[in-house]
Amino acid sequence: SAVISQKPSRDICQRGTSLTIQCQVDSQVTMMFWYRQQPGQSLTLIATANQGSEATYESGFVIDKFPISRPNLTFSTLTVSNMSPEDSSIYLCSVTGRANEQFFGPGTRLTVL
Amino acid sequence: GNSVTQMEGPVTLSEEAFLTINCTYTATGYPSLFWYVQYPGEGLQLLLKATKADDKGSNKGFEATYRKETTSFHLEKGSVQVSDSAVYFCALSDNAGGTSYGKLTFGQGTILTVHP
Repeated sequence: SAVISQKPSRDICQRGTSLTIQCQVDSQVTMMFWYRQQPGQSLTLIATANQGSEATYESGFVIDKFPISRPNLTFSTLTVSNMSPEDSSIYLCSVTGRANEQFFGPGTRLTVL
Repeated sequence: GNSVTQMEGPVTLSEEAFLTINCTYTATGYPSLFWYVQYPGEGLQLLLKATKADDKGSNKGFEATYRKETTSFHLEKGSVQVSDSAVYFCALSDNAGGTSYGKLTFGQGTILTVHP
């Protein structure tokens, strides 16, 4: 299984600001995923990030709000832009294993005031 | 589209009780099925998986069998412990290829609390 780290682990931000979350994997992977887990809720896929191409966003998520970078096969960033309290969530990145299972990073707990 | 439905929670049990958490799914094609666990304050961990019909996934005393005829993947454990208290998520992965490949669809999660 892959070892995934995320930075920051948590942050408290002011309304209207932006936060960039980093995801680092210990091996090269083609596809990386970004999920959001709102308080007390399940996980919802934000986008799929492939190296060398534009991220593919799920319905309800747009690039202007959640720009993603994927500069190489071990790293990705997700930016939460122009934040509001409704963006308070845990944001998780994940990568796919051999049996299509996904391994998740520890998550970034974001609170927007 | 794909969907996963879990039994309503929360579930509260005494230690050594039998656990069942129901999970049913709707998917096109032949998805892979997973159970993930999220312990308090921690990230999401893969608990077990099954990639084809009649496969049984097992780990840490937990089991789940991929039932294509009933589109189910119920999680069971014969004797729960206090340390099993966590949120359990059932999920499926679309194996159809293209832009859907590898994406997980999650159920709503079931909170399990085990008392001594």
